[in-house]
Amino acid sequence: GAGVSQSPSNKVTEKGKDVELRCDPISGHTALYWYRQSLGQGLEFLIYFQGNSAPDKSGLPSDRFSAERTGGSVSTLTIQRTQQEDSAVYLCASSLYRRGWVNTEAFFGQGTRLTVV
Amino acid sequence: ELKVEQNPLFLSMQEGKNYTIYCNYSTTSDRLYWYRQDPGKSLESLFVLLSNGAVKQEGRLMASLDTKARLSTLHITAAVHDLSATYFCAVDGNDMRFGAGTRLTVKP
Repeated sequence: GAGVSQSPSNKVTEKGKDVELRCDPISGHTALYWYRQSLGQGLEFLIYFQGNSAPDKSGLPSDRFSAERTGGSVSTLTIQRTQQEDSAVYLCASSLYRRGWVNTEAFFGQGTRLTVV
Repeated sequence: ELKVEQNPLFLSMQEGKNYTIYCNYSTTSDRLYWYRQDPGKSLESLFVLLSNGAVKQEGRLMASLDTKARLSTLHITAAVHDLSATYFCAVDGNDMRFGAGTRLTVKP
């Protein structure tokens, strides 16, 4: 596609429910990132996928958070048993990476604003 | 773990003034990026810096990279109101980590 696409753009959920957030990266981009941004704050790294390598999950805040990337393309971030502190904007980014390629500039989607009530 | 520190976190400027935002990082990397974020919007790429001594300029903004000092600067010349936004630096050291952002407000 032309850019990184995220859905839904807004999600309101009740505390304790599970949610799934979707990211469709730019076609051909092998690297995919998930970040969380709370109101007025910076970007908190969550998880990083690079090609077929095992993902870097070091930023996931708890075991309620998980992410998958199917077929090296679309990614889904799942939050189980949502809590109010999970309310934030979840941003996805992708970048082109090939062996020896220097520029790893990341391109961002518009984000999913999650509100847990 | 790669740490990225920006300062200042908040910056209020008068139009026409100059200022510099600093970005320090903790491990060796020669891939540094600057982004702009407007309120309620996503991040927009501003500069890509890929080598020691790299300098990029776009309008009133100029970014530079010193990989030996692990420091990048974003210099603002003769600020105008349209530059009001939050600016983030990001460093790629196996994965992409961001600074906390500098919220810039330019006042008339």
